[in-house]
Amino acid sequence: TQLLEQSPQFLSIQEGENLTVYCNSSSVFSSLQWYRQEPGEGPVLLVTVVTGGEVKKLKRLTFQFGDARKDSSLHITAAQPGDTGLYLCAGLGSGGSNYKLTFGKGTLLTVNP
Amino acid sequence: DSGVTQTPKHLITATGQRVTLRCSPRSGDLSVYWYQQSLDQGLQFLIQYYNGEERAKGNILERFSAQQFPDLHSELNLSSLELGDSALYFCASSAGAVNYGYTFGSGTRLTVV
Repeated sequence: TQLLEQSPQFLSIQEGENLTVYCNSSSVFSSLQWYRQEPGEGPVLLVTVVTGGEVKKLKRLTFQFGDARKDSSLHITAAQPGDTGLYLCAGLGSGGSNYKLTFGKGTLLTVNP
Repeated sequence: DSGVTQTPKHLITATGQRVTLRCSPRSGDLSVYWYQQSLDQGLQFLIQYYNGEERAKGNILERFSAQQFPDLHSELNLSSLELGDSALYFCASSAGAVNYGYTFGSGTRLTVV
């Protein structure tokens, strides 16, 4: 069973601060995705990282895939209240399990104005 | 609007009853995935259909079943409902059989009383 551990589970910060959330596993993933979910809505895909060591930037968000493709991080610069939400990482397995995304339990981020 | 439509948005029913949740995938997407989200378990994969055929199965209970119809919409049937089945049920779709990014619907909140 492939498991993804996300940390921290909860994070409350002030507007303008920087933060990093982590997604770790003992399993290797063929790709890893990050989603953001707001209350009452489904998760929305932010980014997919495929290559070990890959770094992708989306405005103030920076995503990194670990060299061994077992872990990932999301860094937010100068957080804004609009960044508030549940951030989920999800790994796509390889071989026979490549149809199924395994989700972490998420990091609930609150950015206070 | 993500393009994935789920109905109903809310459902309240009694223990022992049976309900049907409906999902229409984004136009052109052939794969439909069902997930259950609860506070303690996070997003749990239930089942995937690709172009009408079951492709992958996750932690789906025997009391639950699903199908995908020729017009690609999907239904998730939950029977002999228990209090513990109360959760958010999400449908997601993707273009191909191997997933590089889901589009989620807004979910159905099921409450079993």
